[in-house]
Amino acid sequence: QSVLTQPPSASGTPGQRVTISCSGSSSNIGSNYVYWYQQLPGTAPKLLIYRNNQRPSGVPDRFSGSKSGTSASLAISGLRSEDEADYYCAAWDDSLSGRAVFGGGTQLTVL
Amino acid sequence: QVQLQESGPGLVKPSQTLSLTCTVSGGSISSGSYYWSWIRQPAGKGLEWIGRIYTSGSTNYNPSLKSRVTISVDTSKNQFSLKLSSVTAADTAVYYCARESVVRGVLYGMDVWGQGTTVTVSS
Repeated sequence: QSVLTQPPSASGTPGQRVTISCSGSSSNIGSNYVYWYQQLPGTAPKLLIYRNNQRPSGVPDRFSGSKSGTSASLAISGLRSEDEADYYCAAWDDSLSGRAVFGGGTQLTVL
Repeated sequence: QVQLQESGPGLVKPSQTLSLTCTVSGGSISSGSYYWSWIRQPAGKGLEWIGRIYTSGSTNYNPSLKSRVTISVDTSKNQFSLKLSSVTAADTAVYYCARESVVRGVLYGMDVWGQGTTVTVSS
């Protein structure tokens, strides 16, 4: 059982806009930044979004993040076949002496 | 460009200690303001944060693993290490090391990852 809750799966067709949600609590998303990671099959995760809505250099602006209260979301516009991957949200959790927590991951399928 | 590479035994017996090393290349582990972290992922499952060590040597551990985990750094070798004691089959996973920038207490995300190493706990 992950501390952050994500839908296990999402899908869309090429060119479509897809959003992935991430729900937490006051001790994590409610009081700390949210990060998003993309994991292509058989590879290490890659930082996609940091500090709720910032993109590292090289990440296309098709990817955007937002946060409201104890929830966050990742939006992917102009969906492409290469976006098919697992997506994880993460945040620092202030409970239990502090720890980083991840969502359970959302498997995105491009139909 | 900083790169990370995990190394260590791929097979560990139950009740023994899992030991992994992450070698940092392309930069000094002791320069800058970074957390050096360990994350694991059981096959077909999600990511679990194990813990981290700061450039200064201070550590934070996942409370669920804290009694069994030690993360240390060897600046002379530009490496940081993970030791997980009393392992069971539940510790079987791909283990990743990663770097996270921190500026004035603000985390900037884990932007550099190793390729991961598979560790199986079995007799």
